[in-house]
Amino acid sequence: DVKVTQSSRYLVKRTGEKVFLECVQDMDHENMFWYRQDPGLGLRLIYFSYDVKMKEKGDIPEGYSVSREKKERFSLILESASTNQTSMYLCASSFGQGADNSPLHFGNGTRLTVT
Amino acid sequence: AQSVTQLGSHVSVSEGALVLLRCNYSSSVPPYLFWYVQYPNQGLQLLLKYTTGATLVKGINGFEAEFKKSETSFHLTKPSAHMSDAAEYFCAVSMDYKLSFGAGTTVTVRA
Repeated sequence: DVKVTQSSRYLVKRTGEKVFLECVQDMDHENMFWYRQDPGLGLRLIYFSYDVKMKEKGDIPEGYSVSREKKERFSLILESASTNQTSMYLCASSFGQGADNSPLHFGNGTRLTVT
Repeated sequence: AQSVTQLGSHVSVSEGALVLLRCNYSSSVPPYLFWYVQYPNQGLQLLLKYTTGATLVKGINGFEAEFKKSETSFHLTKPSAHMSDAAEYFCAVSMDYKLSFGAGTTVTVRA
């Protein structure tokens, strides 16, 4: 079974802090994704990566950056956390270089609160 | 750009009744379509997917969905709801290597 592990289940940070959200997958998947989930808005794509050291902007990249130094790890970085970044963050991975029909495998999410 | 519309943010059904969740997509070409389920305090799990071929797709836990190109729809159904089906359901469309999600439909099941 594919396992996608997010390092923190709950996180509380202060406005202006630099925040790192870590995600690791154990199935050698090429593609990795970061989404944020907000009530009534569904999931919105922040960034994705389909290879090591490669990254692509999603629909809402502003205020975020990512890092993918190793194939199994994809980090989301909030350079200066703001209260409007309080949300549930979901990491996902999928097989196949840019394959459209590969399902995503999700982690359990990190609920971030910025005060 | 892809968009996905789920009609109804909340659906309440009685145990044993039909579950019907509606999803419409906008696309100029037939996309890949997915339904995911999210149980409380968990990530999303794949219920089923449509890629090509048969338009009626069977998934896990007794769910199925029908792809109707003429209606640009991919509605999810289950003939008989169970208490364990209480969850949030997301329709998604894949194109250009990205998955776009609908806003989600929360299902509650009444005993």
